[in-house]
Parts: sequence; structure tokens; C-alpha cells
Amino acid sequence: QVQLQESGPGLVEPSGTLALTCTVSGGAISSRNFWSWVRQPPGKGLEWIGEIYHTGTTNYNPSLESRVSISVDKSKNQLSLKLTSVTAADTAVYFCARDWWGRVSECSGGECPDYWGQGTLVTVSS
Amino acid sequence: DIQMTQSPSSLSASIGDRVTIICRASRSISNYINWFQQKPGKAPKLLIYSASSLQRGVPSRFSGSGSGTDFTLTVSSLQPEDFASYFCQQNYRTPWTFGQGTRVEIK
Repeated sequence: QVQLQESGPGLVEPSGTLALTCTVSGGAISSRNFWSWVRQPPGKGLEWIGEIYHTGTTNYNPSLESRVSISVDKSKNQLSLKLTSVTAADTAVYFCARDWWGRVSECSGGECPDYWGQGTLVTVSS
Repeated sequence: DIQMTQSPSSLSASIGDRVTIICRASRSISNYINWFQQKPGKAPKLLIYSASSLQRGVPSRFSGSGSGTDFTLTVSSLQPEDFASYFCQQNYRTPWTFGQGTRVEIK
């Protein structure tokens, strides 16, 4: 069973850089999968941040593209998120997830590979 | 970006009620829509994919329908464990976008 676990600082100062790691267990991050970051401001909806393929190919939300970077460390089976120049609007719970959404063919036998981390709250404040 | 407009934003219902949530896309997305359930402090959980396919392990009281721009999620008989928030998501084109959510509360 694939499991994901986010980690990183829970508090970041305004104008600083948010940096999170997602550790994948029960499966290789280098398998033919996409991995995404999604965030959710307190009490609000979900926003897709971006995705990465094990080859390093990335795809970002245009609304965040100038500030975001996603990378993969195959040796550690981890993916990482960096978001620069943060403001209070970036305060949110950040989730990593196995991303099958662009490849519905990955759903077979009535089951899609729906795996998410538990989420980690990052607060932007001085 | 494809905008997903979900309604209502919240509703109150009783155990056993039939509940319907609507999601409208800003352009045609064929059947590329998923529905998630989220409970407080938890990650979203997939209920329905490709508009109407039930994710394995999800109770059959959940169903989805629609194509093009208009979609519905229906819970045929609301159970205590169904009180949660529900989100639609389009996976037709990046950036993947979500509806703003529907909170289902106990009447």
C-alpha cells in the first residue's frame, strides 16, 4: 500500500521560502507516475499547485508558476516543493498526492490509485 | 483555466435523505470529472471518477452523472458517516481545478 507523508516547517516568515518534503513508502517514486502538490487554505477549497513525473518533467499551475518549484529525489523516494516570496495568502494545508488525473487509463478494475498524504499546515507569519 | 462552479456551498439534511450536489464547468469537459469527500483534518478521498464510475470500496449509495458542462453527485440515502465536504475536480486539462466545495451538515 502506497503511503505519503509531508514534512517541513509549520511557520514561514513573509517574503521567505516555503519548503516541504513528501516521503513516499510502499512504492517507488521512480515508477511511471506523476506526483502532485495540492493546497487548501483554512476553511476553503482545494488548489492544485503542480505535478512532477519521475523523469523530472514538471507542470505548474500558471497562477503560481513564477514562484514554485517541484523536484524529485529518487534516492530518498521523496518529492519536494519550494514556494518563494510567500505571503499570508499562502497559509494553507499542503498535501502531496499520487497524480493519475491526466491518465485515467491508470484506473483499472474500478479503482484509481488515489493516494494522498495527511497534509501539513504551513502558516505564513512574522 | 477551467472554472468549476459547485452548488450549493452548504446544505442541511437528515439521515436517510437523498442529497444532490451540482457542479458546472466553464467549458465542456466531456466526462473528465471526479468527486471527492473530505472530512475535517483529513485528505480528500475519491468517490467517483470519470463522472459516473464508483471508486472501489465506496458505498453504492453514491452515484455520479452528467457530461459536457453539467454534473451531479447524488447520495441516495444519507448516512451518519456521509456528513462531510464534497469537491468536484475537472481532469480534462491542466491546471486541474476544483469546485469550491459543498459542506453537508446534519439537520
